[in-house]
Amino acid sequence: GEDVEQSLFLSVREGDSSVINCTYTDSSSTYLYWYKQEPGAGLQLLTYIFSNMDMKQDQRLTVLLNKKDKHLSLRIADTQTGDSAIYFCAVLDNYGQNFVFGPGTRLSVLP
Amino acid sequence: GAVVSQHPSWVICKSGTSVKIECRSLDFQATTMFWYRQFPKQSLMLMATSNEGSKATYEQGVEKDKFLINHASLTLSTLTVTSAHPEDSSFYICSARVRSGTYEQYFGPGTRLTVT
Repeated sequence: GEDVEQSLFLSVREGDSSVINCTYTDSSSTYLYWYKQEPGAGLQLLTYIFSNMDMKQDQRLTVLLNKKDKHLSLRIADTQTGDSAIYFCAVLDNYGQNFVFGPGTRLSVLP
Repeated sequence: GAVVSQHPSWVICKSGTSVKIECRSLDFQATTMFWYRQFPKQSLMLMATSNEGSKATYEQGVEKDKFLINHASLTLSTLTVTSAHPEDSSFYICSARVRSGTYEQYFGPGTRLTVT
């Protein structure tokens, strides 16, 4: 089945850009998502990209998809302390039914 | 944006009792609702998928008689943890998929269950 991997931790300084990476194994995945989870809270959908797109930008967020390498990244420009959270990459499985989540990347923003 | 609510947000119960958690899509109809379990510092584990009016599909290893799911309408799903034990203590998150074919999926704020 699908396997989704992420690095577990990332620290950046306030004002810098953050890049969170994700790799997946199933090349037939159609939708790929980024979610944000703050402590004790549910998941907030940040953005998603369809597999026929290479890039999607939404304000400070830029998603890049390299379908050949099965690599997805989330760039957060001008990272703020409020961006500190866990970021989950999720991929819709090839049946179009279930999400497969990565382990989450804990982003720490240092002042 | 689409909002999913859960009630209660946290609950403490004694071993052997049952607990019901409600999940509602507030401003959209959901074709499918999902229940996840999350242990501390871990990712989400899918427990079951439910479609309105039909029986839930449980993931391997999840006891359907222990975790009862009822999907009564396009906006409401409930998870009942029956005869709860301390090992059932966890963060339970529901999710609802927008009925539009775009596969947008929104998550509730989660319910923290503690069984004493």
